[in-house]
Amino acid sequence: KAGVTQTPRYLIKTRGQQVTLSCSPISGHRSVSWYQQTPGQGLQFLFEYFSETQRNKGNFPGRFSGRQFSNSRSEMNVSTLELGDSALYLCASSLRTAWNTEAFFGQGTRLTVV
Amino acid sequence: ELKVEQNPLFLSMQEGKNYTIYCNYSTTSDRLYWYRQDPGKSLESLFVLLSNGAVKQEGRLMASLDTKARLSTLHITAAVHDLSATYFCAVEVFGGSQGNLIFGKGTKLSVKP
Repeated sequence: KAGVTQTPRYLIKTRGQQVTLSCSPISGHRSVSWYQQTPGQGLQFLFEYFSETQRNKGNFPGRFSGRQFSNSRSEMNVSTLELGDSALYLCASSLRTAWNTEAFFGQGTRLTVV
Repeated sequence: ELKVEQNPLFLSMQEGKNYTIYCNYSTTSDRLYWYRQDPGKSLESLFVLLSNGAVKQEGRLMASLDTKARLSTLHITAAVHDLSATYFCAVEVFGGSQGNLIFGKGTKLSVKP
């Protein structure tokens, strides 16, 4: 079956711009989580959506936002980009039932802010 | 804040040698995951450990979980170059600002001939 798909794979943006990243989860998975990965901070949790509702949110400024659609696809948006937002953004999907919480990761979107 | 500590963070091995990566965590959890990441790529799931005493093996890698000690190990047997990658452990918790998976900083493994 198809895995987690993230688009685009690479992005170059200028400071002050905004960006939208997309994530299509594995079919049947209702949970989508987003992570930011940088060499200095490692993998940091951004937010999780389940059935169109935000369940958890990490300690990121309000410039980072997300949403989930009825087909479980998710988008995250970063406004007023800063140089420090350059990172690999990973999304993970999961069934998130009591007995099955394994997360599967997409290929990631490499965002470079110049 | 919940913490997951991996050591070592960098590991240079010769082919054919054995080594163990350690993952300590600071909270109660019965579920722990190991992932592999190649440079510029995503996280590939290696092992899912769901209970105390769980042991899983795949090829030259073996993972174990001791929930009482809050410790997981990833043992590498007779390393080969193809195992060169960064390995992450991730502890599952429920809710909170750190999310459902708390990751260690990763162990960058380099296997040299």
